[in-house]
Amino acid sequence: GAGVSQSPRYKVAKRGQDVALRCDPISGHVSLFWYQQALGQGPEFLTYFQNEAQLDKSGLPSDRFFAERPEGSVSTLKIQRTQQEDSAVYLCASSLGATSSYNEQFFGPGTRLTVL
Amino acid sequence: DAKTTQPPSMDCAEGRAANLPCNHSTISGNEYVYWYRQIHSQGPQYIIHGLKNNETNEMASLIITEDRKSSTLILPHATLRDTAVYYCIGTGGANNLFFGTGTRLTVIP
Repeated sequence: GAGVSQSPRYKVAKRGQDVALRCDPISGHVSLFWYQQALGQGPEFLTYFQNEAQLDKSGLPSDRFFAERPEGSVSTLKIQRTQQEDSAVYLCASSLGATSSYNEQFFGPGTRLTVL
Repeated sequence: DAKTTQPPSMDCAEGRAANLPCNHSTISGNEYVYWYRQIHSQGPQYIIHGLKNNETNEMASLIITEDRKSSTLILPHATLRDTAVYYCIGTGGANNLFFGTGTRLTVIP
């Protein structure tokens, strides 16, 4: 069956450009997560959606980062005025239920962003 | 969320059991221990989780000490495809998984 998909898989941006990264979660999954993974490090939490509601954005590193999930399915992570330190793999994950109890998170392959 | 400590790397011979340790001495009573792994250039993959009792599924076994301060993930017959970074995570809520740096397991032919 279809898993979590992300596009593009690779993105090269010049410093100062805006980028938009897309995540298609597994159909019917209520929860959606974004993580940032720097080279050689584990993934770090950015933000969490339950349906269309962004319930936790405590991990977003600056106000240049913005995420949305307007219809409770596809999500977009937008980074404005990209900086070199934004270079990383951006991972999206979805899970079936809300987080009142544990639900396995299913991860996409990630988008590798390189800012020159 | 509990802080976990794992060795940075381990080797295991193909066909042998791989035992990956994790210390989580600050874990609280309602926090689960989760294991994920990440194969090169892929997203993390859920393996198993547990609270107090030992758990087993088709991928692995999880042994949690009685005091819950540490656990061991066991891959009973490691294959080359098990080469990956393995993350031990302690958390009471799944909206913020703290991965840390994990253990890089290399399965040697």
